[in-house]
Amino acid sequence: ETGVTQSPTHLIKTRGQQVTLRCSSQSGHNTVSWYQQALGQGPQFIFQYYREEENGRGNFPPRFSGLQFPNYSSELNVNALELDDSALYLCASSLTGTTDTQYFGPGTRLTVL
Amino acid sequence: AQSVTQLDSHVSVSEGTPVLLRCNYSSSYSPSLFWYVQHPNKGLQLLLKYTSAATLVKGINGFEAEFKKSETSFHLTKPSAHMSDAAEYFCVVSVTGTASKLTFGTGTRLQVTL
Repeated sequence: ETGVTQSPTHLIKTRGQQVTLRCSSQSGHNTVSWYQQALGQGPQFIFQYYREEENGRGNFPPRFSGLQFPNYSSELNVNALELDDSALYLCASSLTGTTDTQYFGPGTRLTVL
Repeated sequence: AQSVTQLDSHVSVSEGTPVLLRCNYSSSYSPSLFWYVQHPNKGLQLLLKYTSAATLVKGINGFEAEFKKSETSFHLTKPSAHMSDAAEYFCVVSVTGTASKLTFGTGTRLQVTL
């Protein structure tokens, strides 16, 4: 069974740029959730995708957007990067969007200069 | 709305002594509660979860937690700490709904000394 994978591992961008982060869900899982973890804090929910549709969103601005593909992999896109977007971005997959445990990938460390 | 409060930001124990990491929760509905562990520069690993079955939940690596509704608590314990337990621990709550958004506590850093 393949776990959740994320790419890239690290990324450095400058203010105003755009970034795309990628996540492959665990085999058999159809739901992907994204979280932002700033340094020294707990992860914050960004949004969730279930069968290619957005299925809930946290308190993040519209410049944070996402996609889920037919194979249930997912992308997180962030436009107009700000310094405060520097964080570890975590992807988690689960079997359904409601009750099942979420399994996390290793994360992508984004640094915005 | 749901939330969790981790009562200690940092806990230090000696190897071989018991571990207690404290968590209180708030939820308008019957919650699901989790403990996740995060080792440095790693993703989050599920230790255990409570979903309204047995109130005493056993997890991996000898950890367990007890759900106490009257105290709104879900404390994590381990009888004997090991050096490899040193990590950041997060108490997490979710409410089953349209999207199972996880709400994380601020974390407790566990230090294990010789």
